[in-house]
Amino acid sequence: DTEVTQTPKHLVMGMTNKKSLKCEQHMGHRAMYWYKQKAKKPPELMFVYSYEKLSINESVPSRFSPECPNSSLLNLHLHALQPEDSALYLCASSQGLEYNQPQHFGDGTRLSIL
Amino acid sequence: AQSVTQLDSHVSVSEGTPVLLRCNYSSSYSPSLFWYVQHPNKGLQLLLKYTSAATLVKGINGFEAEFKKSETSFHLTKPSAHMSDAAEYFCVVSELTGGGNKLTFGTGTQLKVEL
Repeated sequence: DTEVTQTPKHLVMGMTNKKSLKCEQHMGHRAMYWYKQKAKKPPELMFVYSYEKLSINESVPSRFSPECPNSSLLNLHLHALQPEDSALYLCASSQGLEYNQPQHFGDGTRLSIL
Repeated sequence: AQSVTQLDSHVSVSEGTPVLLRCNYSSSYSPSLFWYVQHPNKGLQLLLKYTSAATLVKGINGFEAEFKKSETSFHLTKPSAHMSDAAEYFCVVSELTGGGNKLTFGTGTQLKVEL
């Protein structure tokens, strides 16, 4: 079992729907991340939050909207997605932003856009 | 800028034989290096990390890796493969940017373990 919990595990949505992905960690970590992973590829960083503030946005389209309500929770709001957005979305957390601190990953949400 | 090269996209071994997954990195300063494993339909699990302490790093499930600065390598090894080791393995280098901790991933090595 991972210490980073993501819900739902699977999500199918149409291009006009609005949905949210959720991520939760109770390790006291102060940095949280969203990644997108396509099949047979490594994860690609989307967003970084540090102390509940957005610190990195990797030029992600505005149809993806992150939110960090508190230090344990991270959401990713989805709206008007495209078929190419179908992927595994991974959440991760780390103790802080120091480069020698490993990131701990959840099992992801597999998203399919119809 | 830093980069990671995983030299083999696929490795196949027999159960009980040694595993070697190769990784070379490029970094302008003393790097932090990690190996992660990803089983099908799962997230990434940290196997081990190098953060400028001992050059031989021991991880979980019998894996270890040796940091060789002169060769800019961080190869992952295991003395005896088990069927449960079949998975995708990522070599990762960590970079500290203005906004935070960014990971640079290798392209991955798919490990197949045969009976």
